[in-house]
Amino acid sequence: KNEVEQSPQNLTAQEGEFITINCSYSVGISALHWLQQHPGGGIVSLFMLSSGKKKHGRLIATINIQEKHSSLHITASHPRDSAVYICAVTDYGGSQGNLIFGKGTKLSVKP
Amino acid sequence: DTAVSQTPKYLVTQMGNDKSIKCEQNLGHDTMYWYKQDSKKFLKIMFSYNNKELIINETVPNRFSPKSPDKAHLNLHINSLELGDSAVYFCASSQGWSDLGYTFGSGTRLTVV
Repeated sequence: KNEVEQSPQNLTAQEGEFITINCSYSVGISALHWLQQHPGGGIVSLFMLSSGKKKHGRLIATINIQEKHSSLHITASHPRDSAVYICAVTDYGGSQGNLIFGKGTKLSVKP
Repeated sequence: DTAVSQTPKYLVTQMGNDKSIKCEQNLGHDTMYWYKQDSKKFLKIMFSYNNKELIINETVPNRFSPKSPDKAHLNLHINSLELGDSAVYFCASSQGWSDLGYTFGSGTRLTVV
């Protein structure tokens, strides 16, 4: 069974800083997801990727399949980026939707 | 608005009761899911339904039963509630391997007293 590890667990940054959150997994995957959970509890899907790099606004997600590692970058961070960022993967051969989650990274961006 | 909506948002109930949480999506997605987030904020899959067929059941106690009257709805029924069932339950949907990933409901915070 896949193990998903995220680092750091907690991250405090000053507004404007470049932020990186890392995710590693133990066995081959079909896809990797980055999710955002706001303090109010709602969960938003940010990216789903199986190779390369994706960009959406100030968010960039990359994945290295050989190294079983993904990073989520936030450029020019803002207090509204404060949230928990969760990495999740779907195993090869796993049933569709069988997401295995990391424990999340709590990001706090100070003004 | 296109969305996944679940009700109620909060549910407080006594041990031993039976309760249901409703979920509806108007996105036309073909797969719906229930996830449980425990007190440590860890998320875990409970069920998924694809075209009205259950395709995952991750060692969830049989007191939990998903019910899908149609492709747009996946309700969660829980019998004989226990203290350990207290958690936040999220409904979600997806369209196959859509590049858009998953759409989540806003969650239902269940407290069993």
